[in-house]
Amino acid sequence: AQSVTQLDSQVPVFEEAPVELRCNYSSSVSVYLFWYVQYPNQGLQLLLKYLSGSTLVKGINGFEAEFNKSQTSFHLRKPSVHISDTAEYFCAVSDMDSSYKLIFGSGTRLLVRP
Amino acid sequence: DVKVTQSSRYLVKRTGEKVFLECVQDMDHENMFWYRQDPGLGLRLIYFSYDVKMKEKGDIPEGYSVSREKKERFSLILESASTNQTSMYLCASSPRLGSSGNTIYFGEGSWLTVV
Repeated sequence: AQSVTQLDSQVPVFEEAPVELRCNYSSSVSVYLFWYVQYPNQGLQLLLKYLSGSTLVKGINGFEAEFNKSQTSFHLRKPSVHISDTAEYFCAVSDMDSSYKLIFGSGTRLLVRP
Repeated sequence: DVKVTQSSRYLVKRTGEKVFLECVQDMDHENMFWYRQDPGLGLRLIYFSYDVKMKEKGDIPEGYSVSREKKERFSLILESASTNQTSMYLCASSPRLGSSGNTIYFGEGSWLTVV
């Protein structure tokens, strides 16, 4: 069964510094990959997704992620973070043959300090 | 804009009570979902519905049931609430496979406390 690992439960970073949030998934079969963001007391909002094509995906709010099939990874990056990026970030994966079902990682809390 | 609306943001219920969580989406999506979110565990799928009156169990269906009588509405039912069901519940919807890259749209969540 598919699984998603987000190794870092919390990532503290100073404002304007770069950040990388790591995500690895278990299966090498064809997959769709997603990053969602959850601001305090809100639901989840899609940041970006990889379906096919270019392995570098750009999303909203200056975030991007790179799909690496050989390493089964989909790490999220931002070159310069803002205080407003403080939130919880979830990586998710679905198999192409059962793509209605998303498997989520446990989440990474990004804490941006002034 | 896709809108998924959960009727109650915060609920407090007693052990043994029957609890209904309601969700409505306004985008004519075929698929609807109920997830449970707990710290350190991410989101876990409780139930999924791909059409009116159709449902499938997710990863943690025990203690829950669902109802989908109309396309836009998906209800989660706790037949007899227990304290270990204290959690954040998220409803979501998506169009049928392939029509929008399989993006799932979430509501704002319902915080349920069972005392």
